[in-house]
Amino acid sequence: DVKVTQSSRYLVKRTGEKVFLECVQDMDHENMFWYRQDPGLGLRLIYFSYDVKMKEKGDIPEGYSVSREKKERFSLILESASTNQTSMYLCASSLPPNRASNQPQHFGDGTRLSIL
Amino acid sequence: AQTVTQSQPEMSVQEAETVTLSCTYDTSESDYYLFWYKQPPSRQMILVIRQEAYKQQNATENRFSVNFQKAAKSFSLKISDSQLGDAAMYFCAYRSRGAGGTSYGKLTFGQGTILTVHP
Repeated sequence: DVKVTQSSRYLVKRTGEKVFLECVQDMDHENMFWYRQDPGLGLRLIYFSYDVKMKEKGDIPEGYSVSREKKERFSLILESASTNQTSMYLCASSLPPNRASNQPQHFGDGTRLSIL
Repeated sequence: AQTVTQSQPEMSVQEAETVTLSCTYDTSESDYYLFWYKQPPSRQMILVIRQEAYKQQNATENRFSVNFQKAAKSFSLKISDSQLGDAAMYFCAYRSRGAGGTSYGKLTFGQGTILTVHP
């Protein structure tokens, strides 16, 4: 089974701090994604990566950056945390569509981040 | 851009009965995939069922089936013989087929429907 591991289930940080959320997958997937989940809004894509050192903005990238130095690891960075970034963050990975077009994304358990 | 709408924020069902969750989407593409994911209180997102748009036959997975109406852009999930373990948030999601892999497999999600199962 594919395993996507997020480093923390719960995290509490203060306004203005630099925050790192880590995600590791063990299935050699090229694609990795960061989503944010808020009540009534579903999941919204922040950033994704289709290869090492490659990244693309999703629908709500403002206030976030990402890093992918190794294929198995995809980090989400809040450069200066703000209270409106309090949310659930979900990481996912998948094969690229041109190799496995009908395969789903596999998700981690999520990190519930609170910014005080 | 594609959009996905789940118009039912909450639904409830009695154990052993059938419930249908609604999903509509908007796209100009002709080839794509649709998914239903389940998120129980443990927060692990689990794939329930998938449908390929070019297939006319509705997908089924044990007690779960879909009613895919391509012209109406509708993709509802039917859960038969509901069980207590079906209680969860359910998300409908859309993915482009992405010629040449350019879509990178991005998912567009609906708002989610919370399903409660009463014993």
